[in-house]
Amino acid sequence: AQKITQTQPGMFVQEKEAVTLDCTYDTSDPSYGLFWYKQPSSGEMIFLIYQGSYDQQNATEGRYSLNFQKARKSANLVISASQLGDSAMYFCAMRNANDYKLSFGAGTTVTVRA
Amino acid sequence: DSGVTQTPKHLITATGQRVTLRCSPRSGDLSVYWYQQSLDQGLQFLIQYYNGEERAKGNILERFSAQQFPDLHSELNLSSLELGDSALYFCASSWGATGTGTGANVLTFGAGSRLTVL
Repeated sequence: AQKITQTQPGMFVQEKEAVTLDCTYDTSDPSYGLFWYKQPSSGEMIFLIYQGSYDQQNATEGRYSLNFQKARKSANLVISASQLGDSAMYFCAMRNANDYKLSFGAGTTVTVRA
Repeated sequence: DSGVTQTPKHLITATGQRVTLRCSPRSGDLSVYWYQQSLDQGLQFLIQYYNGEERAKGNILERFSAQQFPDLHSELNLSSLELGDSALYFCASSWGATGTGTGANVLTFGAGSRLTVL
């Protein structure tokens, strides 16, 4: 069974600084996808970034980048130049290539301070 | 607006009652997923439909049922409600059924239906 671990329940970051959110996963399938979602206080789930297990380069989307270390089974999200609007809960998720469901970690709350 | 529409946004009901949550997927998406988010359980996968057929079942209680209709909208029925069923229920949609493809199966979530059972 897939397992996604986010060990940081909450983090504080100063505005304009970078923050790294940890995510480790466990799977025996060689083909899988890793996702990060953001959930602001309003409740909606917003897709941020995707990394495929066979992708050679780390994924980037604007201020979001994914630090993918396959051997360590780690997929950390880096948010650069934090903004107040980045304050939210962030979820790491994973799905094996032939699986139907997307499994989520417990989430990390990020609070950006002015 | 994600393109996934969920109704109602908020629902307050009593124990023992039955409610129906509705979801319209994003245009072109064939898969619909239901998730439950509660404080103690986190985001739990309930069930997935692809083009009208059930494809995967997660931690869905027997008191809960779902279906996907020919027009691809889906309904989640929750019956004999208990206090512990109070949660945010998300519907998500994707084009494909499984995780194959680079980014092809990103789940797009609706805004959720917040259920409060009193």
